[in-house]
Amino acid sequence: RKEVEQDPGPFNVPEGATVAFNCTYSNSASQSFFWYRQDCRKEPKLLMSVYSSGNEDGRFTAQLNRASQYISLLIRDSKLSDSATYLCVVNTNTGTASKLTFGTGTRLQVTL
Amino acid sequence: GAVVSQHPSRVICKSGTSVKIECRSLDFQATTMFWYRQFPKKSLMLMATSNEGSKATYEQGVEKDKFLINHASLTLSTLTVTSAHPEDSSFYICSARRQGALISPLHFGNGTRLTVT
Repeated sequence: RKEVEQDPGPFNVPEGATVAFNCTYSNSASQSFFWYRQDCRKEPKLLMSVYSSGNEDGRFTAQLNRASQYISLLIRDSKLSDSATYLCVVNTNTGTASKLTFGTGTRLQVTL
Repeated sequence: GAVVSQHPSRVICKSGTSVKIECRSLDFQATTMFWYRQFPKKSLMLMATSNEGSKATYEQGVEKDKFLINHASLTLSTLTVTSAHPEDSSFYICSARRQGALISPLHFGNGTRLTVT
């Protein structure tokens, strides 16, 4: 089983739609979680951290389910500019070191 | 604004030459920086972890003699691709996190697109 798994997509949705991505992780000791966005031929950029109680930032909502070991990202009212690859990142601390593991990303294409 | 600066953003070199890529944390100290490589339409792959003042930790399958990493200060790590070959052409990205912040997110440089002819 991969440490971090994501559906690669692509998810093709019309503008205005709501779309959700899931990401599962295998290490139950993982402590922190992030969603990054990567545009084609660009570096990843932090979209949002994922908190245990769930958190929202405008049209974006992130949730964490520790029991089932998955995190989710919900995008409401999709815009054309939301088209990108969304990377799930899981951080696992071991003493003084930490390991960040990236999912392979889920590609989103928002169309007119 | 950017908190991690990577230079150059694009480089074209001839086969057999060496290329140095710099990664700087701009407003924080980073004892650890990370180097990734990404091929077109593929996911990020961690190449190595750069440790200030000590040797880098390389991922399995990454040749340490080919990808030389130096982390001489708390704000600068360099990756040198030695004797580059066309198959080394890729997008190289560095990242860093604030010193002592184990749960903080990574900040990425803007990447270096290397083309070896």
